[in-house]
Amino acid sequence: QQQVKQSPQSLIVQKGGISIINCAYENTAFDYFPWYQQFPGKGPALLIAIRPDVSEKKEGRFTISFNKSAKQFSLHIMDSQPGDSATYFCAGGSGGSNYKLTFGKGTLLTVNP
Amino acid sequence: KAGVTQTPRYLIKTRGQQVTLSCSPISGHRSVSWYQQTPGQGLQFLFEYFSETQRNKGNFPGRFSGRQFSNSRSEMNVSTLELGDSALYLCASSFRGGGYANEKLFFGSGTQLSVL
Repeated sequence: QQQVKQSPQSLIVQKGGISIINCAYENTAFDYFPWYQQFPGKGPALLIAIRPDVSEKKEGRFTISFNKSAKQFSLHIMDSQPGDSATYFCAGGSGGSNYKLTFGKGTLLTVNP
Repeated sequence: KAGVTQTPRYLIKTRGQQVTLSCSPISGHRSVSWYQQTPGQGLQFLFEYFSETQRNKGNFPGRFSGRQFSNSRSEMNVSTLELGDSALYLCASSFRGGGYANEKLFFGSGTQLSVL
């Protein structure tokens, strides 16, 4: 019950297009859903995060949509740029002394110029 | 403010050896977590330390161990290395850990371990 399933594995988008990455979780104890961006040779960096009491969170070109009843959430990147080309990871986490993040397996995004 | 620093950046070992990886968290951060990243399994949680105490542990064999020092620096040790231990080992720090609201994890660039 700890899995986070992420799709697609890879995604190619044209510059200016919308990139959409989806995740589904099983653990209903999750109360924190971050997205991380990782460039080659670097560690993941927090991009945006949401808590289940809201259905959407937007920061610049990045938006998380959250559907608690379906146990799904997604990342939308508007006006995708070549600099957005990276691997994106969704994750679920729960608070308290058992805090840890359970990550999806990642989506390699390529934005063509 | 300096970020999370991991050393060494690359490491090559042979089966049966042991290895120690080091992590210096961001100044003021007291929580350090370790993750293993592989192409097939993605990122998997190893353990978290806070104030020198292990608070949580993932599903890894006992060959994987860690510790945290009074200055919050952390080390991870893998004994009796196996080929499958080849991975990028990432360290992450946060102020309190524990899933507090708006608590952010900051990752280092990792140590790439190759076991031959």
